[in-house]
This record gives sequence, structure tokens and C-alpha cells, in this order.
Amino acid sequence: EVQLVESGGGLVQPGGSLRLSCAASGFTFSSYWMHWVRQAPGKGLVWVSRIKSDGSYTSYADSVKGRFTISRDNAKNTLYLQMNSLRAEDTAVYYCATDRGYWFDPWGQGTPVTVSS
Amino acid sequence: DIQMTQSPSSLSASVGDRVTITCRASQSINNYLNWYQQKPGKAPKLLIYAASSLQSGVPSRFSGSGSATDFTLTISSLQPEDFASYYCQQTYSTPLTFGGGTKVEIK
Repeated sequence: EVQLVESGGGLVQPGGSLRLSCAASGFTFSSYWMHWVRQAPGKGLVWVSRIKSDGSYTSYADSVKGRFTISRDNAKNTLYLQMNSLRAEDTAVYYCATDRGYWFDPWGQGTPVTVSS
Repeated sequence: DIQMTQSPSSLSASVGDRVTITCRASQSINNYLNWYQQKPGKAPKLLIYAASSLQSGVPSRFSGSGSATDFTLTISSLQPEDFASYYCQQTYSTPLTFGGGTKVEIK
């Protein structure tokens, strides 16, 4: 079964850091670009970042550039999102998603991040 | 950045109704347009990719059309399990952007 399972979310103070993980199974993880998408409470979907299949290229939304770092370990079939200098506006459910060639499928179940003092 | 404008933002419909949701891009995106369904507390699920291709396993009552800047998602006969939020997404250029969503509620 193709599956993505996120972990690492939680409560963090403003200015703090958190690392999210996304464990992939059931498909050849190393062949696909991967993305992070977030959704603030009661709001819509917002793309955060992407990484090429071999990890050699990354890109970010302006709102997280310089604070977030996407990476992957293809030997462990795992995607990461290192989030530093967190702000209240980063509060959201964070989803990882597989890029099947200009569309996302599947998505993980999401991990919630709350930035609050 | 390419802005994606979805309409309506919400609608009320009855089981069996035909429902149409539109998505307009601020510039041409060819057919790099996808549609997702999201139920409360769940991850988005791919319905339509490349504007009009039905994802495997998705019921045929869902269809997509359009090109360039104007796109449509149609549910031909609304079923109880279709009450959810729907999002369009452009993957023509980064930053990849989503529409604001359409919440389909029971009338």
C-alpha cells in the first residue's frame, strides 16, 4: 500500500524550531519529487516547499524562505522539513505529498504544528 | 505569482443535484490544473489531474474541463459522500498555488 506518514509536529514557542518527518512506503520514494503543503486552522491549502527526487534541487514559498529547509534521505525513504524561527502564522497542519508529475498523490495524514507562548 | 480564484466559496445542494465549481487562473496555465477533495480532519484526495483526467478509483460522476485560465469541476449527480471541500491547484509555475476552496454542504 502506498503510504506517507508524517510525524514531529507539536507545540513550540515563537522563535523555536521543529523538524517534521514524512516516512514513505509502498512506492519507489527515490524516484519522485516531494512537497510540503500546510493548512492553517479553518483555512485553505498553501504550498510550502519541494525537493527533487535526488535532493539536488529545492524551492520554497517566500513566507518560509530562509527559515525552513526541506531535505530527504532516500536510503531511509524519509522526507524532512526543518523549521526554524517559527512564528504564530506558521501554525498549521503540515502535509507531505508525492509529486506524480505535476499532481500530488498520495498525501500524508498531516501533522499539526502550533506556535504559541 | 499565479492567483487561483475559485467560485463559489460555498454552496448548498441536494443529493442528486448537478454541481459545478469554477477556478480561474490569473494567467494561462495551459492544462496544469488539478482538483482535490478534502473532508474534515482528512488529507486532500486527488480527483482530477491535468484539467480533465480522472484519477484512478474516482467515481465517473466527477469530471473536469477547461484550459488556459478557466476550469470547471462538475459532479454530475451529488452523492452523500461528496459533501466536502474542493480545491483547485496550478502546477504550471512556482510558487504552486491553490484556489481558496469550495465547501459543498447539504441543502
